[in-house]
Amino acid sequence: GQNIDQPTEMTATEGAIVQINCTYQTSGFNGLFWYQQHAGEAPTFLSYNVLDGLEEKGRFSSFLSRSKGYSYLLLKELQMKDSASYLCAVIGDYKLSFGAGTTVTVRA
Amino acid sequence: NAGVMQNPRHLVRRRGQEARLRCSPMKGHSHVYWYRQLPEEGLKFMVYLQKENIIDESGMPKERFSAEFPKEGPSILRIQQVVRGDSAAYFCASSSRDGNTEAFFGQGTRLTVV
Repeated sequence: GQNIDQPTEMTATEGAIVQINCTYQTSGFNGLFWYQQHAGEAPTFLSYNVLDGLEEKGRFSSFLSRSKGYSYLLLKELQMKDSASYLCAVIGDYKLSFGAGTTVTVRA
Repeated sequence: NAGVMQNPRHLVRRRGQEARLRCSPMKGHSHVYWYRQLPEEGLKFMVYLQKENIIDESGMPKERFSAEFPKEGPSILRIQQVVRGDSAAYFCASSSRDGNTEAFFGQGTRLTVV
């Protein structure tokens, strides 16, 4: 099976940086995704990592260490619209499983 | 190019009735995942299907729940004899191949059992 852990909640100030950590245990690892989900809406894709290292995409960056079973999503220059749930998801043995999500609240 | 289409968006059923949730994947996608999400909770994996095959149904309750993805037509998640605890949002995601690629989500079906 798969075990994916991430913090439940985080709060940050507009313009700041927040780092959301995700640890996982899985067999047959084939990639890690980060999704954003606003309340009442469908998840939308943010990033995909399959090799170790940092992937940067605008204000969002994602890091992966396969040996440590660890990833983080870095949100820079936070905006109010970034208030949402951020879901860490892992492909293991071809099954895509999600963590419980981290609710990020951005305050003015 | 239409995205993943789920219908209905909202479904109300009385206890004991059947619920049928439909998911049409993106064009060219042959892999479908179903997830259940309760309020304030994450996405719980239910089942992973490819055309005409169930690959992994380890997250789906063995009773009352079934899923299919026929050669033609949408994927169907069927819940028989619904109970109040089945009330949730059910999301479908599709991808073009095993892993290594983004899964696109539909807007979900919100099932309410009264």
